[in-house]
Amino acid sequence: SQQGEEDPQALSIQEGENATMNCSYKTSINNLQWYRQNSGRGLVHLILIRSNEREKHSGRLRVTLDTSKKSSSLLITASRAADTASYFCATESNFGNEKLTFGTGTRLTIIP
Amino acid sequence: SQTIHQWPATLVQPVGSPLSLECTVEGTSNPNLYWYRQAAGRGLQLLFYSIGIGQISSEVPQNLSASRPQDRQFILSSKKLLLSDSGFYLCAWSRLTWTQYFGPGTRLLVL
Repeated sequence: SQQGEEDPQALSIQEGENATMNCSYKTSINNLQWYRQNSGRGLVHLILIRSNEREKHSGRLRVTLDTSKKSSSLLITASRAADTASYFCATESNFGNEKLTFGTGTRLTIIP
Repeated sequence: SQTIHQWPATLVQPVGSPLSLECTVEGTSNPNLYWYRQAAGRGLQLLFYSIGIGQISSEVPQNLSASRPQDRQFILSSKKLLLSDSGFYLCAWSRLTWTQYFGPGTRLLVL
């Protein structure tokens, strides 16, 4: 079963608006990552937040993590047409291996 | 800098034919290597991962196998393809961190 589930499955917003995507997971984690995938391409790592962190920023990206609720959110501010892509959260269990479990993804469309 | 290659980029194969997809990594040594499959509009399913030459772990029972003949080479194979093997295959690597770096992918269509 999927460890991470993103919500919503699809999101369309106007360029310049903020986009928020959510991820829920089921088991304890060491960290949570967000990846981006342009259509037909490989995934690109965006940001990693550790289990002892609550918020992290990188450029126009803001990630929050609530381990009590087993959830994370990714906020993209001042969206651009180039942000159109699918976004996936990925979690690694705290069992000491480096395997990731990916969610089902949010398809983000930025309307120019 | 590190680079990961996958080929071919696209492949159309008949049911029952063999398969060989190759992934190579440059610029690092002893990486962990991963094969994922992604169905259309879906998330990633981990198929195999490897922590070293000849060390392969299978995540799901299936029609596929993987091999790691060299440190930075990871091969995904099948003796007889099924229709259900169609999908987008992604190779990734990691080393000493939890971040994975993905190749460009191979789109496989089995007819």
